[in-house]
Amino acid sequence: EDQVTQSPEALRLQEGESSSLNCSYTVSGLRGLFWYRQDPGKGPEFLFTLYSAGEEKEKERLKATLTKKESFLHITAPKPEDSATYLCAVQENSNYQLIWGAGTKLIIKP
Amino acid sequence: SAVISQKPSRDICQRGTSLTIQCQVDSQVTMMFWYRQQPGQSLTLIATANQGSEATYESGFVIDKFPISRPNLTFSTLTVSNMSPEDSSIYLCSVAPGTGEDTQYFGPGTRLTVL
Repeated sequence: EDQVTQSPEALRLQEGESSSLNCSYTVSGLRGLFWYRQDPGKGPEFLFTLYSAGEEKEKERLKATLTKKESFLHITAPKPEDSATYLCAVQENSNYQLIWGAGTKLIIKP
Repeated sequence: SAVISQKPSRDICQRGTSLTIQCQVDSQVTMMFWYRQQPGQSLTLIATANQGSEATYESGFVIDKFPISRPNLTFSTLTVSNMSPEDSSIYLCSVAPGTGEDTQYFGPGTRLTVL
């Protein structure tokens, strides 16, 4: 069965303390893996799309990487404004639908 | 990317009534999607709305409860019918531009509370 698992469920960090969020997936054929950020009461904000193992993308303090089984979202020297829920989703070949993980709630304390 | 707006942003409704949510995009898009996100949960796809065809509903969602319109390439509506408190959720519209890009972009959401 296709599934996406995110860990940890919640992560509390001090400002400046770098860490990583994990998204492991099981699909028959990966078309793309997507990372979104979601603030409370708002729609998901697109961050990255990754298509093949070994691919990396960066945006400010965030860096996403992809292997054949999982993706990591690395957060370097986070700030309180990075606090949000980070969602991972995968898309199978020949299927436009997204399979969503449950998200990781990230809290950055000043 | 695409800029997406939704109306209303939030509403409080009485049990048994219906609410229509509008989704407007600033460019023509092939595929539009409607999601529900219950408190503390991830996203659940309700249906896919393509212009010129009937919406495709996911398991557990039916047209009588969630009728959808897609009159053109920039607009769609979702109606939540005969509401009950269990329908209290955030309803999200998303689009896939369909220009070889698979990424879905989301609207700001409609927060619905049913009393």
